[in-house]
Amino acid sequence: DAKTTQPTSMDCAEGRAANLPCNHSTISGNEYVYWYRQIHSQGPQYIIHGLKNNETNEMASLIITEDRKSSTLILPHATLRDTAVYYCIVRVEGGADGLTFGKGTHLIIQP
Amino acid sequence: EAGVAQSPRYKIIEKRQSVAFWCNPISGHATLYWYQQILGQGPKLLIQFQNNGVVDDSQLPKDRFSAERLKGVDSTLKIQPAKLEDSAVYLCASSLGRTSEEQYFGPGTRLTVT
Repeated sequence: DAKTTQPTSMDCAEGRAANLPCNHSTISGNEYVYWYRQIHSQGPQYIIHGLKNNETNEMASLIITEDRKSSTLILPHATLRDTAVYYCIVRVEGGADGLTFGKGTHLIIQP
Repeated sequence: EAGVAQSPRYKIIEKRQSVAFWCNPISGHATLYWYQQILGQGPKLLIQFQNNGVVDDSQLPKDRFSAERLKGVDSTLKIQPAKLEDSAVYLCASSLGRTSEEQYFGPGTRLTVT
């Protein structure tokens, strides 16, 4: 799987949109971008994934650049409960391997 | 739907002692994973099971770690003997199958080796 690069930490005001960037410049054509988050003292939780089109679900939106070398996870109206470590992972969909986590971005939502 | 269950939640042992962790995956999930998460790092895959067979154990320190999933349902991970550097959170995850999009994680077991 390709490596990803994320900022170590970010702050965001409660109620504002949180935009979390991820670089994956060596991504292959059949690799998807996955996002998981880990709230303190809990296991990671799946958020969203996509290939090249923008994706949206009840939790977040995923914007992938046209060249697929970077992406942004958007939490539209951040709440204090969104404070967590967010992991960007590149993986072949349908791949049979476990997940390869980096260090992620520690997102802190400020009241 | 019940989530992935793990026990115990916390364990403190002395180095050279042995310890075992238990995981019960979501009902019907064929694939089970054990991850190790050292403080400040992301989880690292230790072993992956498909039903009761091992798919990938390339990152499992086999001289001291062992895992089994005898009936293709729950699983145990054992460390014997423990070292100080084994202090970590041990996470169990499950998915419907090996190619599933989403893995579901349990709350983890925090191990402290003194």
